[in-house]
Amino acid sequence: RKEVEQDPGPFNVPEGATVAFNCTYSNSASQSFFWYRQDCRKEPKLLMSVYSSGNEDGRFTAQLNRASQYISLLIRDSKLSDSATYLCVVNPFGTSYDKVIFGPGTSLSVIP
Amino acid sequence: DGGITQSPKYLFRKEGQNVTLSCEQNLNHDAMYWYRQDPGQGLRLIYYSQIVNDFQKGDIAEGYSVSREKKESFPLTVTSAQKNPTAFYLCASRLSGSISDEQFFGPGTRLTVL
Repeated sequence: RKEVEQDPGPFNVPEGATVAFNCTYSNSASQSFFWYRQDCRKEPKLLMSVYSSGNEDGRFTAQLNRASQYISLLIRDSKLSDSATYLCVVNPFGTSYDKVIFGPGTSLSVIP
Repeated sequence: DGGITQSPKYLFRKEGQNVTLSCEQNLNHDAMYWYRQDPGQGLRLIYYSQIVNDFQKGDIAEGYSVSREKKESFPLTVTSAQKNPTAFYLCASRLSGSISDEQFFGPGTRLTVL
C-alpha cells in the first residue's frame, strides 16, 4: 500500500457544483496534513492545513478522520478558477519531521 | 519580499553533460528539498537537507548530487548517470522543527535533455 493515496480523478464538474476529494494515508502516527493546489506547469501552493477538528476557508472545507486514516477536501460552488490538481500531503510522525509525503494528486476541471 | 528562487526556468542539456540547478531562499528556513515531477505524476523526493553541510537521499537520489554550504542555497546537479533526466524540478524549503509547518516552493526548472 502506498503511503499516501488519492482519488484518481480526473473530476470534471460544472460551475457551481460541490466536489469532494479523498486522501488516505498508511502511517497511523502521522501528525500533520495539508492540501496543496498545483496549476498546470506551476509550483504547488498551500491551500489549507488540516487540523484535527476540521477547518473551513470560504468555499473550502478540510476534514480529518484519524480512525479511518483519511482526509478530505470539499469545494462548494466550484469556480472555473478552481481547475487545478490538488495534492494531499502528510507529515508522518516517527520519521524525520522534515520529510513529508506527497500524494499523486487529483485533477479537477470546472466546466462552464 | 521573502521567497524561493530557482534558475534557470528552462534548461536544455545534451546527453552526457552534467548540469546544475540553482535554488536560493531568503526565508531563513533550515530545511530544503529537491523534488522531481514527471508529466501527470506526483512529486518524488530527490534529496533533502535539514541543516548546513548535511543532506539525506530521498526516494530517487541516483544520478543526482547536492551540496548545502550555505543556509540559503541548495543546488542540485543532474549528472550524466541520471538515465532519464527530462522533468520538472522543484525546490522547496520549510521551517525545521515543527511538524505543522508547510513547505514553500520555488517556481521550478524545466530540464530537457536533447
